[in-house]
Amino acid sequence: DAGVTQSPTHLIKTRGQQVTLRCSPKSGHDTVSWYQQALGQGPQFIFQYYEEEERQRGNFPDRFSGHQFPNYSSELNVNALLLGDSALYLCASSSAPDMAFFGQGTRLTVV
Amino acid sequence: TQLLEQSPQFLSIQEGENLTVYCNSSSVFSSLQWYRQEPGEGPVLLVTVVTGGEVKKLKRLTFQFGDARKDSSLHITAAQPGDTGLYLCAGRSGGKLTFGQGTILTVHP
Repeated sequence: DAGVTQSPTHLIKTRGQQVTLRCSPKSGHDTVSWYQQALGQGPQFIFQYYEEEERQRGNFPDRFSGHQFPNYSSELNVNALLLGDSALYLCASSSAPDMAFFGQGTRLTVV
Repeated sequence: TQLLEQSPQFLSIQEGENLTVYCNSSSVFSSLQWYRQEPGEGPVLLVTVVTGGEVKKLKRLTFQFGDARKDSSLHITAAQPGDTGLYLCAGRSGGKLTFGQGTILTVHP
């Protein structure tokens, strides 16, 4: 049983560009959450998707947007990249509260 | 804004020693979870505590949820080098997890 898979694993982008990160949830999971983890910090909640709708959102600007597809996979889009957006982006999937499984993350570097 | 404060931020000990990591908040959470994260990997769930005063044991790890459901602790007995890693606590409110800043544990042989 494949766990949560994220792609790509590493990415380098230039300031001002746009980026799309992808997440395939664990089999049977219908809820996907995205987190940003800066170096030396705990993850910070960006938003959560359920039934293709954004259900809850953290304190991130509108440059951060997402989408969930009918097969429950999800994308995170970030526009107008800033140097401060450099971080590990984590996707977590779940089928019930308190049962979140995280992917290995996408390391984004903005130069 | 809900915040979780973890302490200590860094912990360096010898194999066989005991240690405790604390996670404190002024907010009440529906549940509190502990994760362990290796470099280059995502966090892996160790345990979830839900009821105030709850104690859970996972081999040499003991987790406790405070009576008021605002704080938690992780105690490791007889630490081993394999316990080395980043330990994160996270409080759940709705679908959102609020993480502490983490405790980097290094266990020397």
